[in-house]
Amino acid sequence: DVKVTQSSRYLVKRTGEKVFLECVQDMDHENMFWYRQDPGLGLRLIYFSYDVKMKEKGDIPEGYSVSREKKERFSLILESASTNQTSMYLCASSSDPGTGSEKLFFGSGTQLSVL
Amino acid sequence: AQKVTQAQTEISVVEKEDVTLDCVYETRDTTYYLFWYKQPPSGELVFLIRRNSFDEQNEISGRYSWNFQKSTSSFNFTITASQVVDSAVYFCALSERTTDSWGKLQFGAGTQVVVTP
Repeated sequence: DVKVTQSSRYLVKRTGEKVFLECVQDMDHENMFWYRQDPGLGLRLIYFSYDVKMKEKGDIPEGYSVSREKKERFSLILESASTNQTSMYLCASSSDPGTGSEKLFFGSGTQLSVL
Repeated sequence: AQKVTQAQTEISVVEKEDVTLDCVYETRDTTYYLFWYKQPPSGELVFLIRRNSFDEQNEISGRYSWNFQKSTSSFNFTITASQVVDSAVYFCALSERTTDSWGKLQFGAGTQVVVTP
């Protein structure tokens, strides 16, 4: 089975801190994604990556950056955490060849609280 | 603009009742894919079904069935004889086949299903 692992299930940080959310997948997938989930808004795409060192902005990239130094690892970085970044963060991966047809495999999520 | 609309925020049913989740989507592409995902309390979204825009056949998988109607841009999901284990948030999603799609999904807001014994 494909496994997408997020390093923390719950995280509490202070305003202004630099925050790293880590995600690792074990199926050699080319594509990796970071979403945030908020009540009433569903999942919104922050960033995605279709290859090592390649990244593309999603719908809500402001206040975030990403890093993909190795194929299996995709990190989300909050340079200076703010309270409006309190949310559930979901990492996903897929082997999509660019057709948009492949399903995503998700991690269990990281609930981040910024105080 | 929201491309996927799930108008029902929460549906509560008693076990063994049927429940239908609505999903309306918006796209100008002729080739696209529709998905349903389930998010149980554990948090991990689980893939349920994928449909491409050229296949309007309804599908049944056990107690789950899906009704895809291009004429109304809808992709509804029915759980027959619901069980407590069906309690979860269900997301409908759209993937448009543009040149830069890279498998990006646009999700609806989700519908919380609560099944009580």
